[in-house]
Amino acid sequence: EAQLVESGGGLVQPGGSLRLSCAASGFTFSNYAMSWVRQSPGKGLEWVSGISGSGGGTYYADSVEGRSTISRDNSKNTLYLHMSRLRAEDTAVYYCVKDRSPNCRGRFDYWGQGTLVTVSS
Amino acid sequence: QSALTQPASVSGSPGQSITISCTGSSSDVGGYNYVSWYQQHPDKAPKLLIYDVSNRPSGVSNRFSGSKSGNTASLTISGLQAEDEADYYCGSYTSSTTVLFGGGTKLTVL
Repeated sequence: EAQLVESGGGLVQPGGSLRLSCAASGFTFSNYAMSWVRQSPGKGLEWVSGISGSGGGTYYADSVEGRSTISRDNSKNTLYLHMSRLRAEDTAVYYCVKDRSPNCRGRFDYWGQGTLVTVSS
Repeated sequence: QSALTQPASVSGSPGQSITISCTGSSSDVGGYNYVSWYQQHPDKAPKLLIYDVSNRPSGVSNRFSGSKSGNTASLTISGLQAEDEADYYCGSYTSSTTVLFGGGTKLTVL
């Protein structure tokens, strides 16, 4: 069965940056698109960014466009999200999610446990 | 882009059926059959219940069903059980090659 394990969250100052990682196992990583979905405390789900299985297509929500870069290393079965110029409203649990196809279509069948990012001084 | 529209809360008694709606536009829900539904219990990661409007992943109870008409998708839960009490989210692929979620619906089993 697929497993996704996020890391890299923590406390960051406003304006700072961080890189989230997601280690995948239990499936052929390069065959599936991946995304990051976040959830602010007590709030709903927000899709942040997605990447195709090959890595050739990357997509971003307006809220993070220009401040974030999604990437993947298919040789290491690892997904990344680099975020910069962080703001208080970026505070959330960030989930690594697997799509059901090689292209990003928003059909997320496996979710990691999430990693908390807190942006505060 | 604005979130898809869901009712904030719904409730039902054990054994009853409830339906949660998810309204978008022709650029998302109405334009593609890539509508999904997720269940989230407190302090847990969401779980996929329905994908591609009406398909259930292996292991999901057939008490959960999905449908779509125009720009509105629906999730129906039949034979309500206490364990169904949770938050439910719809999601849709969009013409901007992004994914939109609904605001979430809290289901209370009375």
